[in-house]
Amino acid sequence: AQTVTQSQPEMSVQEAETVTLSCTYDTSENNYYLFWYKQPPSRQMILVIRQEAYKQQNATENRFSVNFQKAAKSFSLKISDSQLGDTAMYFCAFVGSNYKLTFGKGTLLTVNP
Amino acid sequence: DAGVIQSPRHEVTEMGQEVTLRCKPISGHDYLFWYRQTMMRGLELLIYFNNNVPIDDSGMPEDRFSAKMPNASFSTLKIQPSEPRDSAVYFCASTMDRVNQPQHFGDGTRLSIL
Repeated sequence: AQTVTQSQPEMSVQEAETVTLSCTYDTSENNYYLFWYKQPPSRQMILVIRQEAYKQQNATENRFSVNFQKAAKSFSLKISDSQLGDTAMYFCAFVGSNYKLTFGKGTLLTVNP
Repeated sequence: DAGVIQSPRHEVTEMGQEVTLRCKPISGHDYLFWYRQTMMRGLELLIYFNNNVPIDDSGMPEDRFSAKMPNASFSTLKIQPSEPRDSAVYFCASTMDRVNQPQHFGDGTRLSIL
């Protein structure tokens, strides 16, 4: 069974600074996909970024980028130029061949003015 | 284009009552998922459907929980009888028939069992 671990329950960052959220996972599969979802206080689950395991290039979406280390089974999210609207719970998630998303416990990020 | 639509947004009911949560997936999506989110357990997959057929219900906690998908545009999650420990946010999500497509989530139903 796959597991996803987010070791930082809470983090905070000053507006305009950069923050990195950690995620590790465990799987025996070779082809899979990784995602970061954001859940603001409105409780919507919003896709932030995704990474295909077969791609070596790290995914980037505007201020959001990942550091994907397949051998280490690590998938961290970097948020540059943090904004107040980035305050949310962030979930790392894994999906393999069975389509079942496995989520980490989440990291609560607070962006301070 | 409409996203995944869930109803109701909030539900408060007394223990022992039947609860029905509803979901309309995005048109054209072949997979539908039901999740439960609690502080203690995080996000858990309860059941998922492919082309209206239940594929994996191993996450359904008890026989009190049941889910159906009578057609491609509608699914229900039913709890009967409900218990206080069922209080949680229940999400529905859908995706296209490709593993690399992300799941799109509805806004969730916050269920409170008194």
